[in-house]
Amino acid sequence: ETGVTQTPRHLVMGMTNKKSLKCEQHLGHNAMYWYKQSAKKPLELMFVYNFKEQTENNSVPSRFSPECPNSSHLFLHLHTLQPEDSALYLCASSIQGQNEAFFGQGTRLTVV
Amino acid sequence: QKEVEQNSGPLSVPEGAIASLNCTYSDRGSQSFFWYRQYSGKSPELIMSIYSNGDKEDGRFTAQLNKASQYVSLLIRDSQPSDSATYLCAAFTGGGNKLTFGTGTQLKVEL
Repeated sequence: ETGVTQTPRHLVMGMTNKKSLKCEQHLGHNAMYWYKQSAKKPLELMFVYNFKEQTENNSVPSRFSPECPNSSHLFLHLHTLQPEDSALYLCASSIQGQNEAFFGQGTRLTVV
Repeated sequence: QKEVEQNSGPLSVPEGAIASLNCTYSDRGSQSFFWYRQYSGKSPELIMSIYSNGDKEDGRFTAQLNKASQYVSLLIRDSQPSDSATYLCAAFTGGGNKLTFGTGTQLKVEL
């Protein structure tokens, strides 16, 4: 079992659908992150949670809604997405203050 | 100005050669720096971290940091075809937990 696990690995959704991405970490970390990776662009930080509290929202549209019920689980709820939201969505975790972040396998999202 | 800047490449080196990957950052308050390797279709994998000026060696990898010049580099000795990947430079910036990435440099190690 890998340290940071994301499900699903692939997702195709219509613009009117509602779906959720899930991330779970087994590393005992207390900070979790959502990143978006689009072609030819740097990894974009979307949200940061420290000890279950959101500490960063990097001007992300409201059609993306994060949820962190505990320090091991992180969700990204998606609704009324646009085709330009198609990307690889990566979850990561770290021990707050130690900076080294470990990534999950990612969810490849396609919005049609 | 991009916060973390890398040449996108591709950088091509022959097998057995030294590959040199470079990165500059704009935030002088950045405290720590990381190199991630990302194979096509896979997630980034942490390979090196460096926190103070100078060199840090780990096997075939050496990370170099020069805070005065705001410059970070990664040297890969005895490059292997399996090293072919995109290498992402990241800097810990800001007052919170914010890891900022460059666009990555694609490395190709040729037989």
